[in-house]
Amino acid sequence: GEDVEQSLFLSVREGDSSVINCTYTDSSSTYLYWYKQEPGAGLQLLTYIFSNMDMKQDQRLTVLLNKKDKHLSLRIADTQTGDSAIYFCAESYGGYNKLIFGAGTRLAVHP
Amino acid sequence: DAEITQSPRHKITETGRQVTLACHQTWNHNNMFWYRQDLGHGLRLIHYSYGVHDTNKGEVSDGYSVSRSNTEDLPLTLESAASSQTSVYFCASSKNTGELFFGEGSRLTVL
Repeated sequence: GEDVEQSLFLSVREGDSSVINCTYTDSSSTYLYWYKQEPGAGLQLLTYIFSNMDMKQDQRLTVLLNKKDKHLSLRIADTQTGDSAIYFCAESYGGYNKLIFGAGTRLAVHP
Repeated sequence: DAEITQSPRHKITETGRQVTLACHQTWNHNNMFWYRQDLGHGLRLIHYSYGVHDTNKGEVSDGYSVSRSNTEDLPLTLESAASSQTSVYFCASSKNTGELFFGEGSRLTVL
């Protein structure tokens, strides 16, 4: 079945770049997503990439997609303490509307 | 402003009791979803609905039911609560894209 995998924890120093990685299984996914969850809150869409793209940049965020290896990454440049959160990778399956999420990567930013 | 609200935010119940978690959205979205979040598992889809009177089972639907009598509401019912259903439950809605709008979550403890 469909599966999305990501490492559970990442620690970076403030000002450094963070790279969060994800692998997925459904090669027919049209879109792939990154969601952010801050403490005590629901998830919010951070960014997404269409499956026919290799890269998408949005301010400090860069998403890279390797369709051959089914690998997705999220790079956060100049990481700030406000970026501390859990980041979820998700793929769409069965159409755009249904998402399957990874377990989430907890990003800790320290001075 | 449009929003999605869940109630109650916190609930403690006993094994065997029926519990209903409410979800109400004012986005006028067709699609609504219930997920549960558990450490190490990320978000897992319980049930979802693509419109009034439409309901579908997700990957972890056993022991849960939903009904969709109007556009705004998708209550989640645990027929006979079990300790394995202790979790944080998130409701979400979407138009017809992968951008889901999440509620703030309902933390359920089953003793």
